[in-house]
Amino acid sequence: GAVVSQHPSRVICKSGTSVKIECRSLDFQATTMFWYRQFPKKSLMLMATSNEGSKATYEQGVEKDKFLINHASLTLSTLTVTSAHPEDSSFYICSARDLLAGGSDTQYFGPGTRLTVL
Amino acid sequence: GEDVEQSLFLSVREGDSSVINCTYTDSSSTYLYWYKQEPGAGLQLLTYIFSNMDMKQDQRLTVLLNKKDKHLSLRIADTQTGDSAIYFCAEMALSGGSYIPTFGRGTSLIVHP
Repeated sequence: GAVVSQHPSRVICKSGTSVKIECRSLDFQATTMFWYRQFPKKSLMLMATSNEGSKATYEQGVEKDKFLINHASLTLSTLTVTSAHPEDSSFYICSARDLLAGGSDTQYFGPGTRLTVL
Repeated sequence: GEDVEQSLFLSVREGDSSVINCTYTDSSSTYLYWYKQEPGAGLQLLTYIFSNMDMKQDQRLTVLLNKKDKHLSLRIADTQTGDSAIYFCAEMALSGGSYIPTFGRGTSLIVHP
């Protein structure tokens, strides 16, 4: 099946620094990637939709200047958490949308990145 | 916004069948998904069903879709301890020209011997 990787899997940083998380689709081209944040005991919350070659679409309440998303190629999207604060500590998951032959449409998720801001 | 609801917990005995239920509200949903999240890991796609289908079977997994009632279920036959995980239901619906996924909160499946 399709594989999506994320790097790093775990990162610890100091408050005020920036952290970049990479999401790659390894065996398919993804024109659309999604970034989610998972809160404890809650569902995934969609942060933004990242389209290759264009600006990301952010969900209401998500600060676009704080969570910078770049989708420079069909296989790579990056999420940069700028000036990170402890409340940004969370599990961030990306997914890549695969438009398969035959018309089916599904998403494949990365393994997630655990961000801890001290 | 649209809601996807699931019960939060399900406990079954090893070898029994598990049925995880999900309801959604967006009638324009095109695909509905079941994901599995093991502890500390990301989501894994288990199976999906297109909205014009009412059943899909894949080995031990059976997905039933009642589009009229907007009800989706995942049945796991011969449940094993390795099936213990959180199962997320998700719908993909068209919103503002894009397909946007909405997830339920996840059902924690606990399988005991």
